[in-house]
Amino acid sequence: EPEVTQTPSHQVTQMGQEVILRCVPISNHLYFYWYRQILGQKVEFLVSFYNNEISEKSEIFDDQFSVERPDGSNFTLKIRSTKLEDSAMYFCASILAEETQYFGPGTRLLVL
Amino acid sequence: AQSVTQLDSQVPVFEEAPVELRCNYSSSVSVYLFWYVQYPNQGLQLLLKYLSGSTLVKGINGFEAEFNKSQTSFHLRKPSVHISDTAEYFCAPGLTGGSYIPTFGRGTSLIVHP
Repeated sequence: EPEVTQTPSHQVTQMGQEVILRCVPISNHLYFYWYRQILGQKVEFLVSFYNNEISEKSEIFDDQFSVERPDGSNFTLKIRSTKLEDSAMYFCASILAEETQYFGPGTRLLVL
Repeated sequence: AQSVTQLDSQVPVFEEAPVELRCNYSSSVSVYLFWYVQYPNQGLQLLLKYLSGSTLVKGINGFEAEFNKSQTSFHLRKPSVHISDTAEYFCAPGLTGGSYIPTFGRGTSLIVHP
C-alpha cells in the first residue's frame, strides 16, 4: 500500500539554525499538509498546499515557516530560525482529492 | 473557531470489554467529522469519518461512531477491545464547514489491560 514518508525521523538542531523537514507524499496526491504536535499537546494544523501554493495556514505558520514542492515528489517545511518552542513532532499528510488524509510517521525535531 | 472536547484524557479498560470514547465539538455550521488513531511511535491513521448520510459510521478495526447533531457529539465505540487497540485516539472535526482539514482534539489514551 502506498504511504507518505518523512525524513529524517529525528533531528536535533541549535536554536537559531535553519531546518528543512522533508516529506514524500503519495505519488498521485494533489493536496499536501503539515501539522505539528508539541509533546503532550494536541496535533495542530500548520498549512495546506495545493497547485504549488499555500491554500490555508494557521496562525502558527508565521514568517519563520515556509513550504515548498521543489520537484514532483518532495514537499518540504522550512523553519528559518528555530526557537526552543519549535521542538515538536512534525507530520506531513497528503490526499488525492477530498476526504481521507494519509499521514507520514513524523519527524521529531528537538531544538536546543 | 472550531473547538473540540475529548472528555477523557485516559480510558483504562480490560480486554474484551466495550469502550466509548467521548467527543463533543462546537460549530455553528455543519462540519465533517473524523476519528484518528495514533499507535505508539507511529503516525496518525484515519479510523472513520462522517461526511453525510447515516449517522452511524463504521470504521476499521471494529470501531464505530455516532453523529448526534443536537448534542454536537461524535462518540467512538467498540463492543469488544483487544490489547492491540491500546493507542491515542483523536476526534477531529473539519476546520470549517466543508473542510477536510481535521482540527484535532487533545486525544484520549485508550489503555487495554489483559
